[in-house]
Amino acid sequence: DQQVKQNSPSLSVQEGRISILNCDYTNSMFDYFLWYKKYPAEGPTFLISISSIKDKNEDGRFTVFLNKSAKHLSLHIVPSQPGDSAVYFCAASIGGSQGNLIFGKGTKLSVKP
Amino acid sequence: EAGVVQSPRYKIIEKKQPVAFWCNPISGHNTLYWYRQNLGQGPELLIRYENEEAVDDSQLPKDRFSAERLKGVDSTLKIQPAELGDSAVYLCASTLGIARGDEQFFGPGTRLTVL
Repeated sequence: DQQVKQNSPSLSVQEGRISILNCDYTNSMFDYFLWYKKYPAEGPTFLISISSIKDKNEDGRFTVFLNKSAKHLSLHIVPSQPGDSAVYFCAASIGGSQGNLIFGKGTKLSVKP
Repeated sequence: EAGVVQSPRYKIIEKKQPVAFWCNPISGHNTLYWYRQNLGQGPELLIRYENEEAVDDSQLPKDRFSAERLKGVDSTLKIQPAELGDSAVYLCASTLGIARGDEQFFGPGTRLTVL
């Protein structure tokens, strides 16, 4: 049973527009959430994270929103750029970033010029 | 600063053969992880080391998989014998493991194909 779910396998967005990637989780013990970006033939690269005590974290063009009551988080990319085209993985852990990460299946984002 | 180094990058073997993957974490990183990523899936943890101690190997199929991290630096993951279902990307990650917020850094992975 998947504890972290990314229900959209792919997303296509026009350059300059907003990209919204969604993630749902089932385990209420998760207290730390992360987004990783992965290019082909490379390992995942950390993008942004959020602790369960917060509901929003922003870093440049990237913002993560956490809705604990809905067990839902989302990643917003504004404005989207062609270089953002990659697979985005949502991950969650118990015990902060040192906890074992549970990953979703990923969403492939395509940003078209 | 050098990232997590893994070798080989690609490996093709026949089933029932042994195979080994090597990982050198970022210098000073105490915690090391091995993940397996099947096609179309996210990475799944196989084993986690704190220095030279395996603190979580509950997801490691111990009948055929083994790992070691001698001296608490680089690590080797071995499969013997390999099965068709072992075809996947094997990722190594490391982190300082000191404070919350120390994210895991991943290597490029080893893509294993078992024929």
